[in-house]
Amino acid sequence: NAGVMQNPRHLVRRRGQEARLRCSPMKGHSHVYWYRQLPEEGLKFMVYLQKENIIDESGMPKERFSAEFPKEGPSILRIQQVVRGDSAAYFCASSPGAEETQYFGPGTRLLVL
Amino acid sequence: DAKTTQPPSMDCAEGRAANLPCNHSTISGNEYVYWYRQIHSQGPQYIIHGLKNNETNEMASLIITEDRKSSTLILPHATLRDTAVYYCIVRGRTSGTYKYIFGTGTRLKVLA
Repeated sequence: NAGVMQNPRHLVRRRGQEARLRCSPMKGHSHVYWYRQLPEEGLKFMVYLQKENIIDESGMPKERFSAEFPKEGPSILRIQQVVRGDSAAYFCASSPGAEETQYFGPGTRLLVL
Repeated sequence: DAKTTQPPSMDCAEGRAANLPCNHSTISGNEYVYWYRQIHSQGPQYIIHGLKNNETNEMASLIITEDRKSSTLILPHATLRDTAVYYCIVRGRTSGTYKYIFGTGTRLKVLA
């Protein structure tokens, strides 16, 4: 059973460009969480999605950030007009149910120049 | 804010048991204690979790005090590959969802 997959693993963008981060949950998992980790800090929750629904986006910045988890395909975290402060590691986790253990992917490291 | 308090760093000799403490004095009755570790900024790796009883798996043991206000993660025979940041998380229903709230963790260094 393959684990949570994220791509790309590394992404470089210039200020003002768009970043798209993809997350494929483990097989059988329909719950996806996104977390962000700034350098030398712990992980911070951003958004929680189930198939086709955003359940909790309380940790996501109000502007420029959006997330989706379509019926088919991976979950996407989209950052528009990136700024240097968006440089971080973005981790996706998935679980089979809302109350069950979350399993994390390897992360995408975003660098904004 | 995280509901847990952990020492920022610990050292352990290779081959010895590593005992990582965690305080969670405000834990509620239906909240679980979860442990993850993060090696070299990789994705957090699940280790173990528990509610009231002590738990053991192939990676570690989790000892939860009777009043549930603290717990200890035990790596029975630490190796160099166990060097990582260890996060203790109290997982409950926060704003309607079971998201994790990470603290700053304990940076464990296993020494040869």
